[in-house]
Amino acid sequence: QSVLTQPPSVSGAPGQRVTISCTGSSSNIGAGYDVHWYQQLPGTAPKLLIYGNNNRPSGVPDRFSGSKSGTSASLAITGLQAEDEADYYCQSYDSSLSGFWVFGGGTKLTVL
Amino acid sequence: QVQLQESGPGLVKPSETLSLTCTVSGYSISSGYYWGWIRQPPGKGLEWIGSIYHSGSTYYNPSLKSRVTISVDTSKNQFSLKLSSVTAADTAVYYCARVLAARNFDYWGQGTLVTVSS
Repeated sequence: QSVLTQPPSVSGAPGQRVTISCTGSSSNIGAGYDVHWYQQLPGTAPKLLIYGNNNRPSGVPDRFSGSKSGTSASLAITGLQAEDEADYYCQSYDSSLSGFWVFGGGTKLTVL
Repeated sequence: QVQLQESGPGLVKPSETLSLTCTVSGYSISSGYYWGWIRQPPGKGLEWIGSIYHSGSTYYNPSLKSRVTISVDTSKNQFSLKLSSVTAADTAVYYCARVLAARNFDYWGQGTLVTVSS
C-alpha cells in the first residue's frame, strides 16, 4: 500500500483532457513538500515529467501541467495523444520517522 | 549529459545478499546531490529503497532499513546497494537515480532486473 494514493487507471480519447490525482497526508504533501510526476513508457525507466509541483523539465510539452493544493496534487494532460499512453507516478517526501521519499502506486493512462 | 548505469548479478539465491553498483558519467558524485536506488517488482509500482549523499550520509526506506546498505565510492564515481536476506519478494527491476535538492529524481539508469530464485 503506497503512502501516496493514485487511481489505478484513467482513460481518454485523443484530443481530450485527463487528470490524475495524487492524495497524501499532513506528513508529506500537506507538510509543504513538493510533488513530482514521472512518466513511464512500457519497458523503459521513469522519466521526470513535472518537478516542484508545476514545473516542466526542458523538452516536456506544455500539454502536461501539475498543481498542488492541501494534501493533494494533480497532473493534467491536455490534447491527449496516443504516445501519452503510459504509467504515471507522483512522488514526494515524507517527514515521518526519519524522513523518506515516497511514490504513488501509479496510474495507467489509456488513450482510447 | 549525466548518465547512470546499473550493474550486478541478474540472479540471486534466496537468503543471500543482492549487490548492485551504479556508475555515474557526465557528473562527479563528489560535486554534490543525493543519489538513490528505486525498485519496481514486475507489474507493480515504484518503491524507494534509499538515498546517499556524496559525503556518505544515508536515508533508508523504513520497511527495508534492517536489510539495506548503500555506500559511495567517489574515486570510482559509483554508489552501491546491498540488500541482505533476499526472498522472492525482492525480485524487481532496480534503478539508480540522481536526487535533486527538491528531492525529485532527474536522471535515471536504464534499470536492471534482479531475480531471486534458487
